[in-house]
Amino acid sequence: GQSLEQPSEVTAVEGAIVQINCTYQTSGFYGLSWYQQHDGGAPTFLSYNALDGLEETGRFSSFLSRSDSYGYLLLQELQMKDSASYFCAVRDKESGGSYIPTFGRGTSLIVHP
Amino acid sequence: DAGVTQSPTHLIKTRGQHVTLRCSPISGHKSVSWYQQVLGQGPQFIFQYYEKEERGRGNFPDRFSARQFPNYSSELNVNALLLGDSALYLCASSPPGAQAVGYTFGSGTRLTVV
Repeated sequence: GQSLEQPSEVTAVEGAIVQINCTYQTSGFYGLSWYQQHDGGAPTFLSYNALDGLEETGRFSSFLSRSDSYGYLLLQELQMKDSASYFCAVRDKESGGSYIPTFGRGTSLIVHP
Repeated sequence: DAGVTQSPTHLIKTRGQHVTLRCSPISGHKSVSWYQQVLGQGPQFIFQYYEKEERGRGNFPDRFSARQFPNYSSELNVNALLLGDSALYLCASSPPGAQAVGYTFGSGTRLTVV
């Protein structure tokens, strides 16, 4: 089976940088995704890492280290609207050829003015 | 283009009843997945369908079933509802191909079992 660990809550101030970590255990790893979900809303896909290294998309970046079974989401120049839950999700071999991500429990990010 | 649409948005049912939730994927997307999200937790995988065939099934009892239609829309059925089935049910679609790595989720159906 798979397991993912991420902090339950992170707080930061507007304009700051915050990092949300994710460690995973899985039998056959293909890649790590990140999703954002605002209260009452649908999860929204942010990024995907299949290879080691940093992927940058605007204010958001995602990092993966396959050897450490670890990744993180980096949010820069935080804005109030970034207050949301963030989920990491692994795509693994058990899903076969289909992409069936397994989600972590999520990290609630609270941005203060 | 319309995103992933789900209906109904909210639903209240009594224990023991049956419920059917519906999902229409993004045009051109042939894969539909269903997730259950309990408050404060991440989405839990229930089913995935591709070209009307079941491609994956999560750790849910047989009370849960689903199907996909020729137009790629899908239904999730839950029989003999329990209080613990109260959750947000999310449908997600993805384009065909092994390179599809990002899901597009619908806004979900909030099911309350009383």
